[in-house]
Amino acid sequence: NAGVTQTPKFQVLKTGQSMTLQCAQDMNHEYMSWYRQDPGMGLRLIHYSVGAGITDQGEVPNGYNVSRSTTEDFPLRLLSAAPSQTSVYFCASSRGETGQAFFGQGTRLTVV
Amino acid sequence: KNEVEQSPQNLTAQEGEFITINCSYSVGISALHWLQQHPGGGIVSLFMLSSGKKKHGRLIATINIQEKHSSLHITASHPRDSAVYICAVKSFSGGYNKLIFGAGTRLAVHP
Repeated sequence: NAGVTQTPKFQVLKTGQSMTLQCAQDMNHEYMSWYRQDPGMGLRLIHYSVGAGITDQGEVPNGYNVSRSTTEDFPLRLLSAAPSQTSVYFCASSRGETGQAFFGQGTRLTVV
Repeated sequence: KNEVEQSPQNLTAQEGEFITINCSYSVGISALHWLQQHPGGGIVSLFMLSSGKKKHGRLIATINIQEKHSSLHITASHPRDSAVYICAVKSFSGGYNKLIFGAGTRLAVHP
């Protein structure tokens, strides 16, 4: 019953460093997505995937890359971290685009 | 103007009180979600509804599609209900179905 697993839970990066946030789900969900949550704002969609091999951009994709080589995994890559990317990141999955969403525990990222 | 508006932003209650959190939206939707986020924790889906009313334990969610409004009620509130409650709507926009989130309502229930 793992659901959606995100790692790491916390990360501090220096400006310009790169890193990958991991997301895995064991529910065989086709639809996976990444959001960022900033104070006073609702979650905003970064990238999403409707199945293995298919990804697309959301509202705030700049500075982030994704790939979906398997149904289970949907990693989010920061190529060159910037302070504006300091945020809490959530991965979510659902059975199809309209199914109930299941969220990971979140990754709190600080870029200094 | 945000497409999903929640009120109030902050709410303080005494244990046992009846609580209502409101959500209004301005876009066409296929479903509305109520989510709960505990401090330092992840996000849990409470309800997904497209019409009428759903009940789970002490939680009740209603939606009025014509008025584009939903409410989340908590009966006999308890300190463990303290969390941020988030309303999100599923809407087709920009070529895909996406969730549009409200900013959340922070609830504190005191003993």
